[in-house]
Amino acid sequence: NAGVTQTPKFQVLKTGQSMTLQCAQDMNHEYMSWYRQDPGMGLRLIHYSVGAGITDQGEVPNGYNVSRSTTEDFPLRLLSAAPSQTSVYFCASSKGQPNTEAFFGQGTRLTVV
Amino acid sequence: AQSVAQPEDQVNVAEGNPLTVKCTYSVSGNPYLFWYVQYPNRGLQFLLKYITGDNLVKGSYGFEAEFNKSQTSFHLKKPSALVSDSALYFCAVRDRNDYKLSFGAGTTVTVRA
Repeated sequence: NAGVTQTPKFQVLKTGQSMTLQCAQDMNHEYMSWYRQDPGMGLRLIHYSVGAGITDQGEVPNGYNVSRSTTEDFPLRLLSAAPSQTSVYFCASSKGQPNTEAFFGQGTRLTVV
Repeated sequence: AQSVAQPEDQVNVAEGNPLTVKCTYSVSGNPYLFWYVQYPNRGLQFLLKYITGDNLVKGSYGFEAEFNKSQTSFHLKKPSALVSDSALYFCAVRDRNDYKLSFGAGTTVTVRA
């Protein structure tokens, strides 16, 4: 009963490096999304997807790319890491109806130095 | 545009006393409303949601929330708080015609023994 799995749990990057945060869900959920959590700012939506092959920008998309080639996976790519991207990142999934609750992964704590 | 306000950064209560965490929202249409809880170094866990119907919604761990359309509020309540309720609580809103989920900044609840 894995739910939403994020890897890695912790990561330190140097400025300018790129990396991919992985997210996988085994609940056959259509809707997946990425958030970043910063102190005092709650969760802000980065990108989201309503199904395989469909992605869209959220509130803070700059510096991040996503793709959705399968229903299960929704990776988040940092193209050229910046210190402002130091944050805790959460992946979430839900069924394809707006009245359904989201299930969250355990988070990835990213530090950019 | 949709948004959520949680006017209190922190709420402190004694164990056994009632707990209230406030939330107000803004959406262009009719809302779906959610409450989540986050324990240290964990992902968010779903507590309860309002979809339609009865304005008083009951959820996990003895929590309930009251939807008030005229005041655009969705306050979280628990009649008798436990020390184990100490956590970070998030209110979230989704417009019925959209998939994007918007979160408040969060309220830290501390229940003292």
